[in-house]
Amino acid sequence: GQNIDQPTEMTATEGAIVQINCTYQTSGFNGLFWYQQHAGEAPTFLSYNVLDGLEEKGRFSSFLSRSKGYSYLLLKELQMKDSASYLCAVMDSNYQLIWGAGTKLIIKP
Amino acid sequence: SQTIHQWPATLVQPVGSPLSLECTVEGTSNPNLYWYRQAAGRGLQLLFYSVGIGQISSEVPQNLSASRPQDRQFILSSKKLLLSDSGFYLCAWSVQGLSTGELFFGEGSRLTVL
Repeated sequence: GQNIDQPTEMTATEGAIVQINCTYQTSGFNGLFWYQQHAGEAPTFLSYNVLDGLEEKGRFSSFLSRSKGYSYLLLKELQMKDSASYLCAVMDSNYQLIWGAGTKLIIKP
Repeated sequence: SQTIHQWPATLVQPVGSPLSLECTVEGTSNPNLYWYRQAAGRGLQLLFYSVGIGQISSEVPQNLSASRPQDRQFILSSKKLLLSDSGFYLCAWSVQGLSTGELFFGEGSRLTVL
């Protein structure tokens, strides 16, 4: 079966750095997405990785290793507004998105 | 610019009552359209997707149905709601033909079935 694993919840301090991991087992691979979802709101796109390596976008970076079936989202200089759930999703060989359950990130002052 | 709207935002319905959630996209043509359900602590579950008018693919057998009467309109329906239909429903669109394109989500509709 297809599976996406990510931690259920993480806590970090304002101004610090946090890394959210995602491991996947899917039927084929056509890219990995990270989305941010604030409580009660719709997910919004953060990043897309299809090749191995690091993609940097401001305070957020996303890393992919296809051989290990692994990705992480790195958030730097954490702000209170970064408190949200972070969803990892993989596009399989049929171009269908398989979603993880999300990681709830709690930022403390 | 493209926008997507879905409504109603919140609804409370009794078991056995009908359901209709509507979603419209503006500023783009021939989008792929999706209905997802999100249950607490679980990943987004794809319910239906559509690549064109009248073309609906169902991913999960259930008492829900979807229709696409116009290019940018996507409707989720049920004739008789079950308690298990409670959840957060999200409509989304992506660019047609761009298989690696991101999804753009509507605001979501929270359904509580009592």
